[in-house]
Amino acid sequence: GAGVSQSPSNKVTEKGKDVELRCDPISGHTALYWYRQSLGQGLEFLIYFQGNSAPDKSGLPSDRFSAERTGGSVSTLTIQRTQQEDSAVYLCASSLYIGGQLSYEQYFGPGTRLTVT
Amino acid sequence: GENVEQHPSTLSVQEGDSAVIKCTYSDSASNYFPWYKQELGKGPQLIIDIRSNVGEKKDQRIAVTLNKTAKHFSLHITETQPEDSAVYFCAAIPRAGGTSYGKLTFGQGTILTVHP
Repeated sequence: GAGVSQSPSNKVTEKGKDVELRCDPISGHTALYWYRQSLGQGLEFLIYFQGNSAPDKSGLPSDRFSAERTGGSVSTLTIQRTQQEDSAVYLCASSLYIGGQLSYEQYFGPGTRLTVT
Repeated sequence: GENVEQHPSTLSVQEGDSAVIKCTYSDSASNYFPWYKQELGKGPQLIIDIRSNVGEKKDQRIAVTLNKTAKHFSLHITETQPEDSAVYFCAAIPRAGGTSYGKLTFGQGTILTVHP
């Protein structure tokens, strides 16, 4: 079946511009996560959505970062006034709720490589 | 919060040899430990995981062991093949509850190279 999809696969933007990154989770997966993978920092958690609950935003590095999840499915990560240190691969993952319990297994998309020039 | 340390950072083996990657974690409440394989240009792929109520799990050539007392877990790959070459990440999730639920903390990654 279809996995997690992300778009665009690559994005080059100028410093100071805003960017939007999109994630389509696996159908039926109600939990959605954003992670960032950069050379110096490894893989780091950014934000977590579960159903209609308030998202866990504890990993967002600054108020320039925000994310939405519309209709419990597609999510958009927005970075305003991009800086060079925002250059990284942004990964989305999703997981399933089974019988009222969150399945720990997270399935990742291919990522969006963001380059800020 | 949780901290996960992973060693070695690079590992080079001959085809057919075994490879072992080790991770330690800091939060004794962590109860789920996945391993991911990441190939160039792709997202991490879940290859095996273990929960805190078991000590070992095997899936064909891959096994994971967990020592809760020492707070470390290891990935074992036997009969390595060139296609096993990739970056491997360990991770941990704290016990359910609060804002940490479901949030993976990753190790720094191990670049595994299997030479034919």
